Amino acid sequence: AQTVTQSQPEMSVQEAETVTLSCTYDTSENNYYLFWYKQPPSRQMILVIRQEAYKQQNATENRFSVNFQKAAKSFSLKISDSQLGDTAMYFCAFTLYGGSQGNLIFGKGTKLSVKP
Amino acid sequence: GAGVSQTPSNKVTEKGKYVELRCDPISGHTALYWYRQSLGQGPEFLIYFQGTGAADDSGLPNDRFFAVRPEGSVSTLKIQRTERGDSAVYLCASSANNLARGTGELFFGEGSRLTVL
Repeated sequence: AQTVTQSQPEMSVQEAETVTLSCTYDTSENNYYLFWYKQPPSRQMILVIRQEAYKQQNATENRFSVNFQKAAKSFSLKISDSQLGDTAMYFCAFTLYGGSQGNLIFGKGTKLSVKP
Repeated sequence: GAGVSQTPSNKVTEKGKYVELRCDPISGHTALYWYRQSLGQGPEFLIYFQGTGAADDSGLPNDRFFAVRPEGSVSTLKIQRTERGDSAVYLCASSANNLARGTGELFFGEGSRLTVL
């Protein structure tokens, strides 16, 4: 069975600074996707960034980037130039790729607070 | 609609009652997922529909939980004889294709918060 672990229940960062959120996962499979989702108080989960396991290059989306270490099964999220609107719960998630069906497996989340 | 719509936004019920939660996915999305998010936890998978059929219901906790999607669009999650432990936010998500074969992205609604007194 696959598992996702987020070891930081809460993090805080000053506006305009950089913060890194940690995620580790466990799987015996080779083909999968990894995601970071943001959940603001509105409760709607919003995709922040996606990484395909077969790609060695780390994914980047504007101020968001990941450090994907496949051998170590680590998938951290770096937020640069943090903004007040980045305050939210952040969830790391995993899904297998190439099967007949699939669903996302989530970690417990990290609550990020961006302070002015 | 433009996004995934869930109703009601909040539902308070008494222990033992029956509840229905509705999800209207993004138009044209064939895959629909239900998740349950308890306080302080990440979402947990309940059931996945591909079209009208439940392709994977392995996450349903017991036979009090049931979901349908009769026309391959709107889905209803039904909970019988509710218990206090059922209190959670129930999230619905949809995707254009099977998650494992498509882009891998799910589009979520804002959830239905169920409180069982």
